[in-house]
Amino acid sequence: EVQLVESGGGLVQSGGSLRLSCAASGFSLSTYWMSWVRQAPGKGLEWVANIKQDGSEKYYVDSVKGRITISRDNAKNSLYLQMNSLRAEDTAVYYCTRQGTTFDYWGQGTLVTVSS
Amino acid sequence: QSVLTQPPSVSAAPGQKVTISCSGSSSSIGNYYVSWYQQFPGTAPKLLIYEDDKRPSGIPDRFSGSKSGTSATLGITGLQTGDEADYYCGTWDSSLTAWVFGGGTKLTVL
Repeated sequence: EVQLVESGGGLVQSGGSLRLSCAASGFSLSTYWMSWVRQAPGKGLEWVANIKQDGSEKYYVDSVKGRITISRDNAKNSLYLQMNSLRAEDTAVYYCTRQGTTFDYWGQGTLVTVSS
Repeated sequence: QSVLTQPPSVSAAPGQKVTISCSGSSSSIGNYYVSWYQQFPGTAPKLLIYEDDKRPSGIPDRFSGSKSGTSATLGITGLQTGDEADYYCGTWDSSLTAWVFGGGTKLTVL
């Protein structure tokens, strides 16, 4: 059974940093692109970033470029999101997703709250 | 404002059929696969339709997807109260070089 479990969310002050983790099981992480998708309270879904199987390619939504870095450790079956210079508008539930032609599996999400 | 346009809400009676539209452009829906996701309050989105019209294992055939030009449609037949949820369309946008979603549609089963 495919499972994605996020951790690392919490309350942080504006300008602060957080590192999110996603533990994958039930499949080989090394064979899939992976993405982070977020959802602000009461709002819709927003794709944040993705990373190729071997980590050689990474893409970001414009609003997070230069502040957020996606990475992975296939040996540990883990995906990460390093978030720096956090802003109030980064407040959201962050989901780890497995990506092919679609986002077929999602984690339960981890809440990041940025206080100003 | 979302790149893909969905109606904010739709409603229908139990047992009836409803459709949810998703409008995009040639750089998104017009050239890339569309997916649909179902989300209940407080839970993660769940894949409902992928590659325009395919259903993952376990998704009932009451749910269907179609696409024409730069628009896609999710259809739900035999509506049940348990179908009340938010529904999102999503695809890749080559001009933005980003994955994009619609703003979501809240389905109410009256």
